[in-house]
Amino acid sequence: LAKTTQPISMDSYEGQEVNITCSHNNIATNDYITWYQQFPSQGPRFIIQGYKTKVTNEVASLFIPADRKSSTLSLPRVSLSDTAVYYCLVGAIYNQGGKLIFGQGTELSVKP
Amino acid sequence: GAVVSQHPSWVICKSGTSVKIECRSLDFQATTMFWYRQFPKQSLMLMATSNEGSKATYEQGVEKDKFLINHASLTLSTLTVTSAHPEDSSFYICSASGQTNYGYTFGSGTRLTVV
Repeated sequence: LAKTTQPISMDSYEGQEVNITCSHNNIATNDYITWYQQFPSQGPRFIIQGYKTKVTNEVASLFIPADRKSSTLSLPRVSLSDTAVYYCLVGAIYNQGGKLIFGQGTELSVKP
Repeated sequence: GAVVSQHPSWVICKSGTSVKIECRSLDFQATTMFWYRQFPKQSLMLMATSNEGSKATYEQGVEKDKFLINHASLTLSTLTVTSAHPEDSSFYICSASGQTNYGYTFGSGTRLTVV
């Protein structure tokens, strides 16, 4: 299983764009990259998933370079409610039932 | 779509008793379910993986006789903490994977306090 490395914490202000980078040097060919958000005392919530290049949905964008050894989660115009822990995970795609191992995550603090 | 319901959301029990936590996939068939434990200010730690109809696979260091996992159907998995002790107090979270477009879906978690 590929190990991931993320910054432990990040600070931002409301309205700013936040980019969180994750390193996964040992990513395997069939691994996908998935980001989750977790608020205190809640289960993680799926944000975005990708395999290569760029993926965008209504809440975030995911940028993956050609070598796939890292990825960047981009949150546009963050608000106070985006304060949470963000986890980058690398593993087999969902319908293969591969287990997801969580790293330390990045604690994002958004200030007014 | 892809909703996982976890019950109870919190429970307080006396030391030495057993507690059962349920995890249900409401609108999809979960071929595989995962159980995690999370201590304050720490990341989620995978405890075990369960596939419907077969024995759970436990991660290294997790006592299978203490944390009993049953996955009797494609929509229900249970975690029973047997002979609970205060050090078992933690936040337990289940996750399910199946034929969905939403990745792995997590339950809302169960806060267990053993007194």
